[in-house]
Amino acid sequence: ETGVTQSPTHLIKTRGQQVTLRCSSQSGHNTVSWYQQALGQGPQFIFQYYREEENGRGNFPPRFSGLQFPNYSSELNVNALELDDSALYLCASSLATGTDTQYFGPGTRLTVL
Amino acid sequence: AQSVTQLGSHVSVSEGALVLLRCNYSSSVPPYLFWYVQYPNQGLQLLLKYTSAATLVKGINGFEAEFKKSETSFHLTKPSAHMRDAAEYFCAVTQNYGGSQGNLIFGKGTKLSVKP
Repeated sequence: ETGVTQSPTHLIKTRGQQVTLRCSSQSGHNTVSWYQQALGQGPQFIFQYYREEENGRGNFPPRFSGLQFPNYSSELNVNALELDDSALYLCASSLATGTDTQYFGPGTRLTVL
Repeated sequence: AQSVTQLGSHVSVSEGALVLLRCNYSSSVPPYLFWYVQYPNQGLQLLLKYTSAATLVKGINGFEAEFKKSETSFHLTKPSAHMRDAAEYFCAVTQNYGGSQGNLIFGKGTKLSVKP
C-alpha cells in the first residue's frame, strides 16, 4: 500500500510568482486536506477536498486555491506569492471527512525570495 | 472555537527517563484528540488518537496518553526515553460531530531532546 506522496520536495520562487504543489493520496482515500506549517509553528488548515469538491476552508486568502482529481490526487495553487508564504506545505489524506485519521505526506518546502 | 495549548516549546530528558509532554485543549463539543510526531525534514506521523472509547490510549513506540475531561488535558507520556524519540511532537484536536469536516487544529509543538 502506497502512502501519501507529495511533489516537489523543495521549491524556490520569487515574490509575485505562482506555484502548484501536488499530492497523491493513500490508496482508497477520497479526502485530502492541505496544511501550511511555518517555521517553528504547528500546521494550519488551508482547505479540504472531498470527492473533487472543496469541503471547508481555513483562514487563508482566495489566492490559495486547490483541485482534486477523479483519482483523488490533489493540487494546491498559490498565486501572487508573498514572502510569508514560505513554509512547509503538508498534504493529508483520509478515508472520509469528519474524524477519520489523517495520514500525512512528507511535505513540500516552499521558499519565497 | 477549538484550540490546543502545548506547555513547553522544548523539553529535554536523559535517555531512560520519563517523557511527559503536556497538552491542554479547548472545545465546545466532545473532542477527538491526536498526537503526531515530526522528525527533522519529514511529515507528521500519527502516534495515537483518542476517540472517546477509552481514556487511556496506547500508541506506537511505547507512547501513551490519558484523556482527562475535568482537566481538559491529553498529556503524552513514555516511561523510558530513547535517543530515537528526539523529534517534535504536536497535539491536535478536531470536532467530533456529524458533518464536521474534521480539520485538525494543532498546538505549536514541543521539541523533545534526549541526552545520552
